[in-house]
Amino acid sequence: DAGITQSPRYKITETGRQVTLMCHQTWSHSYMFWYRQDLGHGLRLIYYSAAADITDKGEVPDGYVVSRSKTENFPLTLESATRSQTSVYFCASRDNSPLHFGNGTRLTVT
Amino acid sequence: AQSVAQPEDQVNVAEGNPLTVKCTYSVSGNPYLFWYVQYPNRGLQFLLKYITGDNLVKGSYGFEAEFNKSQTSFHLKKPSALVSDSALYFCAVRSNKAAGNKLTFGGGTRVLVKP
Repeated sequence: DAGITQSPRYKITETGRQVTLMCHQTWSHSYMFWYRQDLGHGLRLIYYSAAADITDKGEVPDGYVVSRSKTENFPLTLESATRSQTSVYFCASRDNSPLHFGNGTRLTVT
Repeated sequence: AQSVAQPEDQVNVAEGNPLTVKCTYSVSGNPYLFWYVQYPNRGLQFLLKYITGDNLVKGSYGFEAEFNKSQTSFHLKKPSALVSDSALYFCAVRSNKAAGNKLTFGGGTRVLVKP
């Protein structure tokens, strides 16, 4: 099915562990984005990518790493998870259109 | 820097009554404005956008929004609310000059429509 898929939907990890959140889109959109959603903060941009092999920092990039070796995939890695990274993470993509969002990954860091 | 303010954390309205969700923005250059809706455990869904042209924009599910340049506002409206409109609503803005086409979101407004 066409769309944007995030995995896993739910993840519990421990402080200090590395965790990768996956994002896959089937539209071949150029732009892809990672947001985190927290109460009181709305959605904040972590990283974005304008095309394969082109990435840039957003508003809250510290503690996160991204890569974009293929147009359709945009994984987000927490190199050493902290409790402050407990959040709901949304991936989104677009070309000359509004953003299309995945259903999110709820990450809990214990 | 661009920013969005949604002054109300929650809006309560009776079914059948008009619904308004407020949004003001700050941006350099011309604004591109968007409304999104989020249902529980789902991603955001696009409702409508203003890029240029008529100040009144019509979108999905009977929603509309009015762009007011002098007041830098883009309020979302629906003439007759439904219980199924209960959700979290986000206003977003980006500038026509924004590097990387980055969208900035407001903090969200929870809408509760009571039967």
